Parts: sequence; structure tokens; C-alpha cells
Amino acid sequence: DGGITQSPKYLFRKEGQNVTLSCEQNLNHDAMYWYRQDPGQGLRLIYYSQIVNDFQKGDIAEGYSVSREKKESFPLTVTSAQKNPTAFYLCASSTHGTGATLNTEAFFGQGTRLTVV
Amino acid sequence: QKEVEQDPGPLSVPEGAIVSLNCTYSNSAFQYFMWYRQYSRKGPELLMYTYSSGNKEDGRFTAQVDKSSKYISLFIRDSQPSDSATYLCAMRSSGSARQLTFGSGTQLTVLP
Repeated sequence: DGGITQSPKYLFRKEGQNVTLSCEQNLNHDAMYWYRQDPGQGLRLIYYSQIVNDFQKGDIAEGYSVSREKKESFPLTVTSAQKNPTAFYLCASSTHGTGATLNTEAFFGQGTRLTVV
Repeated sequence: QKEVEQDPGPLSVPEGAIVSLNCTYSNSAFQYFMWYRQYSRKGPELLMYTYSSGNKEDGRFTAQVDKSSKYISLFIRDSQPSDSATYLCAMRSSGSARQLTFGSGTQLTVLP
């Protein structure tokens, strides 16, 4: 089955630690995204990548880093510089280009819930 | 002011009711409008997708876009307890990058 796999489902981080969230897709989508979801604030874009070895900052990139070495994979590292990392993190993918249908819009994984302990 | 405003609810209705969910937005560059449904502790799933103004119907769901008023709606007819979820509106401009701007979500409960 095609889809997006995020792991782990739950993650606990100690103060000062870096942690990496995994996102893998087998949809052959070119673009991948990381969003953060906090209660009452909807989803906010952290980083996105339209092509391998290239990525751009979103609205709240400070304290996060990403890499895109393979088309299928877009891991997110939450660094110790991120002062309030407790949130639900969602990875998504889509095709890119000017054509648009229901199947080309963002398809989400099941999320990783990160908690600082 | 947020680019996309959505009433967070919570909204509680009896089974069989017609539900109306709404978003307003300020960015006139938005061309593509989506509604996602998110069950608790799950990722959002794309429910409806509309380009520019107009209506789109899919089963019990109807999406409306009024670009002149910068207002979009999702109607759910004959609501079911299985429709209980958070509904997120999302939108984007045209172009090759498809990053979305989301509303804050409306939590809906359909009571049996």
C-alpha cells in the first residue's frame, strides 16, 4: 500500500537533547513537508522540500533542521535550540507542478507526538 | 491577524443534522481550497478539494468557495457519529510549491 510512514509514534526528549523524527513515503511524490500542530493553532509549516538535496524554511523553522538525501525520506531533527518542542509533528507529501487534482494535494502521515520530559 | 480564521468550536449536533463549517481568509492569492478531516491522534485526511469559486459535492459533503467574500464552507448532510472529528480548512496559492496555510480546526461531535 502506498503511503507515508512516520516513526516513532511517541517520542520523549530530555532537555538539551536533539531528536530525529523519521518520515518515509512510497508514493513517488516529489515534494515533502513537515508541519507542527499545537492545540488551537492548526498546522504550521516548519520546512518543505520540492526536490532531492533542496529544502526551504517554512514559517517556524528556528530550532529545526532537515535533510533530503533520498526522494523517499525527509527526516526532521528537533534541536536543543527549539525552546518549546512539545507538539504533534506531521509529515506530508505531494506532487509538484501546475496541474492539480485531489490526488496531487498533500497526503499526511499519522504523526509523531513529541514530549519534553 | 491570521491569514485563515476558523471557529474552533466545539460544535455538537444530533445525528442526522446538517452541519455547516466555515473559514475566512485574507490572502487574495489563494486559489486552491481544501477540507481535511482529522480523527483524534491521527494525521489529517483530505476530504474535499475545490479550485477557485464554486461548489463541489461528494456524497453527503458539499464544499463552497466564495472568493469575492474570501469565505469557504463545508456542509455535511445527514451527519453520522462517525463524522465526529476535527475539520481543518486549508488553502494555497497557485504555483509549483504546494505548502498549505491551515485554519485552526473545528471540533465536531455528532451525538447518536
